[in-house]
Amino acid sequence: DGGITQSPKYLFRKEGQNVTLSCEQNLNHDAMYWYRQDPGQGLRLIYYSQIVNDFQKGDIAEGYSVSREKKESFPLTVTSAQKNPTAFYLCASSVRTAYSNQPQHFGDGTRLSIL
Amino acid sequence: AQKITQTQPGMFVQEKEAVTLDCTYDTSDPSYGLFWYKQPSSGEMIFLIYQGSYDQQNATEGRYSLNFQKARKSANLVISASQLGDSAMYFCAIRSRPGPLGGSQGNLIFGKGTKLSVKP
Repeated sequence: DGGITQSPKYLFRKEGQNVTLSCEQNLNHDAMYWYRQDPGQGLRLIYYSQIVNDFQKGDIAEGYSVSREKKESFPLTVTSAQKNPTAFYLCASSVRTAYSNQPQHFGDGTRLSIL
Repeated sequence: AQKITQTQPGMFVQEKEAVTLDCTYDTSDPSYGLFWYKQPSSGEMIFLIYQGSYDQQNATEGRYSLNFQKARKSANLVISASQLGDSAMYFCAIRSRPGPLGGSQGNLIFGKGTKLSVKP
């Protein structure tokens, strides 16, 4: 079964600690995305990558970092510089295309909380 | 800049009845796509239906259909014959045509969502 796997499902961060959220996909998609969702809110884009070894900041990139060394993987690190990291994090992927009709497919999310 | 507005924070519908979830959008791009996603309480985002700006007909996908009114910039989701399993958050999103190398134009912009509750 093709899909997107996010791990862990729940994650707790201590003060001053960096944590890394995993996102793996086997859909052979070129493009991958990270979103943050706060309670009662829509999704906000943190980072995105259209191709291996390249990524771009989204709307709320401060306090986060990413890497894209493999097509299948797009890990997100929440650094200690992110002062309000408690949120639900969703990873997505899509076909990279010149047309706007391709949907993004999402993982099940990681819920991050501060200890 | 693109924007999605969902004016209904919450909606109730009786089981087996139809419900319409509103979505209005703002964009200056002539070519764009509109997407609806469902988010159950478990958290995953499930793609439901897509409407292209140049599509002549309203999109349909099983019990889901889009009431697309381009001049009014609205793309309302209609769910027919509601089921208890339809209770979830529903998000409308817009995506414009990406540039030749992708770029931020191709990213999705989401609304704040509507919480649908189906009553037995």
